Amino acid sequence: AQSVTQPDIHITVSEGASLELRCNYSYGATPYLFWYVQSPGQGLQLLLKYFSGDTLVQGIKGFEAEFKRSQSSFNLRKPSVHWSDAAEYFCAVGASTGTASKLTFGTGTRLQVTL
Amino acid sequence: GAVVSQHPSWVICKSGTSVKIECRSLDFQATTMFWYRQFPKQSLMLMATSNEGSKATYEQGVEKDKFLINHASLTLSTLTVTSAHPEDSSFYICSASGAGGDYEQYFGPGTRLTVT
Repeated sequence: AQSVTQPDIHITVSEGASLELRCNYSYGATPYLFWYVQSPGQGLQLLLKYFSGDTLVQGIKGFEAEFKRSQSSFNLRKPSVHWSDAAEYFCAVGASTGTASKLTFGTGTRLQVTL
Repeated sequence: GAVVSQHPSWVICKSGTSVKIECRSLDFQATTMFWYRQFPKQSLMLMATSNEGSKATYEQGVEKDKFLINHASLTLSTLTVTSAHPEDSSFYICSASGAGGDYEQYFGPGTRLTVT
């Protein structure tokens, strides 16, 4: 069974500083990997995804992530954080069910941005 | 594109009653829909996977007689919490996945259920 670990429960960064959120996964085959963001009381918005190909993936809102098979990692980065980036971030790994991907989520990292 | 809606967004019900939550894909056909439950400040836990016209597949530990899932069409899935109790209070989120090998899930905005 697949699993996801997000080691950092809570991270605080200053606006304008760089950001890296860690994600490690466990899956027997080539994984489908996702990063989602959730604002309080809201659903999830997809930031980016990795299925195959280039291991550096660009997403929305200036986010990027790099798939490193040797480290089983898919860390999320942003060079300059904005106050509006404060939210909960979830990494997820997907396993194909044939026509869809069954997702397993990490426990999330809460990002706080100080001005 | 790929918008998923949920209704209601917020519901309060009395203990012992049932409540139905709807999940709709507005601009695509969803061959597979997923239902998640999220407790405060915790991650999403998959409850069940449903394919249009088939019985839902429930995750281990989820009571299928308590959480009834119906996926009667390619744009609508419903979750009915039967005989609700306060411990069923939670944030319920659905997602939908289209056909054609698109493995991405599109998430609804969630429904906050409070059982008094």
